[in-house]
Amino acid sequence: GAGVSQSPSNKVTEKGKDVELRCDPISGHTALYWYRQSLGQGLEFLIYFQGNSAPDKSGLPSDRFSAERTGGSVSTLTIQRTQQEDSAVYLCASSFDRVGYTFGSGTRLTVV
Amino acid sequence: AQTVTQSQPEMSVQEAETVTLSCTYDTSENNYYLFWYKQPPSRQMILVIRQEAYKQQNATENRFSVNFQKAAKSFSLKISDSQLGDTAMYFCAQNNAGNMLTFGGGTRLMVKP
Repeated sequence: GAGVSQSPSNKVTEKGKDVELRCDPISGHTALYWYRQSLGQGLEFLIYFQGNSAPDKSGLPSDRFSAERTGGSVSTLTIQRTQQEDSAVYLCASSFDRVGYTFGSGTRLTVV
Repeated sequence: AQTVTQSQPEMSVQEAETVTLSCTYDTSENNYYLFWYKQPPSRQMILVIRQEAYKQQNATENRFSVNFQKAAKSFSLKISDSQLGDTAMYFCAQNNAGNMLTFGGGTRLMVKP
């Protein structure tokens, strides 16, 4: 597609439930990134996929967070047993080199 | 590890005036890129300007320019002739050899009529 697409745009979930957030990157972009942005804060790196290499998971805050990227395209970020502190905007970006990053509009997750 | 610091949580400027947003960074790498992104309430991250570390000439994009001081690891953004549409969060970012972007905490800019 023309841009990075994220779904859902907004998600409200009950504490303890699992959620899945989806990112559809720009076709041909080999790198895909997930970031978390808490209210009024900067972007916190979560995980990075580059081609067929093993992902860089160094930013995942706990083992409740996981992500996969199927076929080098669509990625899903899964949060298990959600907690209130997981409430944030989750942003996805893709790129084909070191300068051409394109961001999606994010998923606003609210845990109640 | 690399870090990016924005020391101004909030800034305001009168319409048509000039404002400068500060950014400092720390990295052990020699080849990297620096970016300024704008984030309006829509949440979309919009690239404002980027700078290649090995280029000494400061990047400019219309009303936006940077003051890149490599030795001081400083990368400030100057917005000239500020417009109401410039009101947004601004993030400074740096990438490393692995392509991952590291962001500063952001500066909220308000342009006043």
